[in-house]
Amino acid sequence: AQSVTQPDIHITVSEGASLELRCNYSYGATPYLFWYVQSPGQGLQLLLKYFSGDTLVQGIKGFEAEFKRSQSSFNLRKPSVHWSDAAEYFCAVGAIKSDYKLSFGAGTTVTVRA
Amino acid sequence: NAGVTQTPKFQVLKTGQSMTLQCAQDMNHEYMSWYRQDPGMGLRLIHYSVGAGITDQGEVPNGYNVSRSTTEDFPLRLLSAAPSQTSVYFCASSYSGVRQGGKLFFGSGTQLSVL
Repeated sequence: AQSVTQPDIHITVSEGASLELRCNYSYGATPYLFWYVQSPGQGLQLLLKYFSGDTLVQGIKGFEAEFKRSQSSFNLRKPSVHWSDAAEYFCAVGAIKSDYKLSFGAGTTVTVRA
Repeated sequence: NAGVTQTPKFQVLKTGQSMTLQCAQDMNHEYMSWYRQDPGMGLRLIHYSVGAGITDQGEVPNGYNVSRSTTEDFPLRLLSAAPSQTSVYFCASSYSGVRQGGKLFFGSGTQLSVL
């Protein structure tokens, strides 16, 4: 079965600084990878996804993520964070055998300080 | 466009009580699912449906029932609530499966406390 690990529970970053959130996955084949964001009191919103092709994917709100097969990683980055980026971020992996099941990581909470 | 609507937003139950969490979507999505979110554990799939009349179990189905009589609605039933079911519940829908690029649309959640 597939699984996802997000090693950082909480990250604090200054406004305008860069941000990188780590995600490691465990899956026997080419994974389908996603990053979702959850703002306080809201449901989750898709930031970006990787299925195949270019390993650097662009998403909404200025985020990007890089798939590295050799490291089983799919880290999320943003060059310059805004106060509105304070949220919880979830990495997820999709299974080929079960077309509809996503496994989510435990999440990383991002705090942005002025 | 309402998207995915969940009701209620908050609910407090006593152990042993039953209740139904409602979920409706107006996007004509075939796929619908229920997740629970617990601190430090992310989201875990409870049940999902790939169309009216078709449901299947996720990772943590025990204690929950679902049915899908229409494309729009996918209610989650707790038959006899237990304190371990205290959680935030999210309903999600998608126009297609993962391989077809299906993006999950989430409701705003139901915060459930079982005393």
